[in-house]
Amino acid sequence: DTAVSQTPKYLVTQMGNDKSIKCEQNLGHDTMYWYKQDSKKFLKIMFSYNNKELIINETVPNRFSPKSPDKAHLNLHINSLELGDSAVYFCASSQMGGRTSSGANVLTFGAGSRLTVL
Amino acid sequence: GESVGLHLPTLSVQEGDNSIINCAYSNSASDYFIWYKQESGKGPQFIIDIRSNMDKRQGQRVTVLLNKTVKHLSLQIAATQPGDSAVYFCAERREGGNKLVFGAGTILRVKS
Repeated sequence: DTAVSQTPKYLVTQMGNDKSIKCEQNLGHDTMYWYKQDSKKFLKIMFSYNNKELIINETVPNRFSPKSPDKAHLNLHINSLELGDSAVYFCASSQMGGRTSSGANVLTFGAGSRLTVL
Repeated sequence: GESVGLHLPTLSVQEGDNSIINCAYSNSASDYFIWYKQESGKGPQFIIDIRSNMDKRQGQRVTVLLNKTVKHLSLQIAATQPGDSAVYFCAERREGGNKLVFGAGTILRVKS
């Protein structure tokens, strides 16, 4: 069983379109994330939800809207796609711990969704 | 602004040799660090972690060293194997924070 699964794995679309990427985790974690990895492999956090509540919202264009229907799912919707949105988007999950617990931020990542905007 | 790690360097090692991958971080308030491995076409995978109250932690074939004085983290891989070829990322967590900040990554290439 895949722990963190995201679909689709590949997405090719035209500029101006709206698209969604879905993510599901079966680890029982309470926190989920979206990261963007650019062509230079740099991984940057976009959003994080803890028990369906948005806790991290980085400087991301408001064309990007995450939605968490329950703590096992975190979807990413992107409106009016632009060329610069081309990247690999990774979903991840973790079990949020207290300040003194180690391993609290060990993220389990999905395999990624490669978005290509033409 | 804060930054973790280096521009994407490449380390080439011979199979069987030891590898050392380095990472510099800038936030002295970071209390927890993780190394991740990302193979081609896959998501990053956890390798080993270390808290800021430690300076060394060992796993199976891997050792992480933390030098808080110079804000430096390293990952040592013993007897490097072809399957170790990947991009390696260090990541830091600011004290009490919920966010992991990733470094730029290092490419490890293992020659047989």
